[in-house]
Amino acid sequence: DTGVSQDPRHKITKRGQNVTFRCDPISEHNRLYWYRQTLGQGPEFLTYFQNEAQLEKSRLLSDRFSAERPKGSFSTLEIQRTEQGDSAMYLCASLEGGRAATQYFGPGTRLLVL
Amino acid sequence: QKEVEQNSGPLSVPEGAIASLNCTYSDRGSQSFFWYRQYSGKSPELIMSIYSNGDKEDGRFTAQLNKASQYVSLLIRDSQPSDSATYLCAVRGGGFKTIFGAGTRLFVKA
Repeated sequence: DTGVSQDPRHKITKRGQNVTFRCDPISEHNRLYWYRQTLGQGPEFLTYFQNEAQLEKSRLLSDRFSAERPKGSFSTLEIQRTEQGDSAMYLCASLEGGRAATQYFGPGTRLLVL
Repeated sequence: QKEVEQNSGPLSVPEGAIASLNCTYSDRGSQSFFWYRQYSGKSPELIMSIYSNGDKEDGRFTAQLNKASQYVSLLIRDSQPSDSATYLCAVRGGGFKTIFGAGTRLFVKA
């Protein structure tokens, strides 16, 4: 257990539905990342926060995806109008410190869109 | 060209052998380099980090970095069946964005 928690751990939804995932980082960590990982691939960068500011968002991310970190603590990732191609593991990671600092990953949320 | 490239494998080595995993990256401004291990169905866990050219050793693991060649490697000595996993190379540039390779699957045969 790294101290990063994610909820839910599993989500099954029907195509077209909206889903929201939550990530609670290690409490003193000011940077938070969201990644998506599909089978046989490495984690794909989605977005990154420093405190409450969303500093970067992947160009691959469609307008159906939105993320927030309202008070610089927990973060949510929402996917609107889900598609079957959204089925993946969604990983959250946090870090504190400089560019050499370690990212700690949460257990992930596995999404299946039917 | 992918930003971080790894041979997908699988790489199969006998127990006790040295496993050699390789990674190349495209951004010459990259500053920090990481190797993660990921077991099936689990999230990545950090094995090694390296920031300067040369070798860095930690137990059975040695990371090697050559910035001129844009190349990072991980050597696992005395490989054990429990080392069987996917190994992810990750690269962080001047900001805090971290890019991962697709990973190399390693099988250590008992």
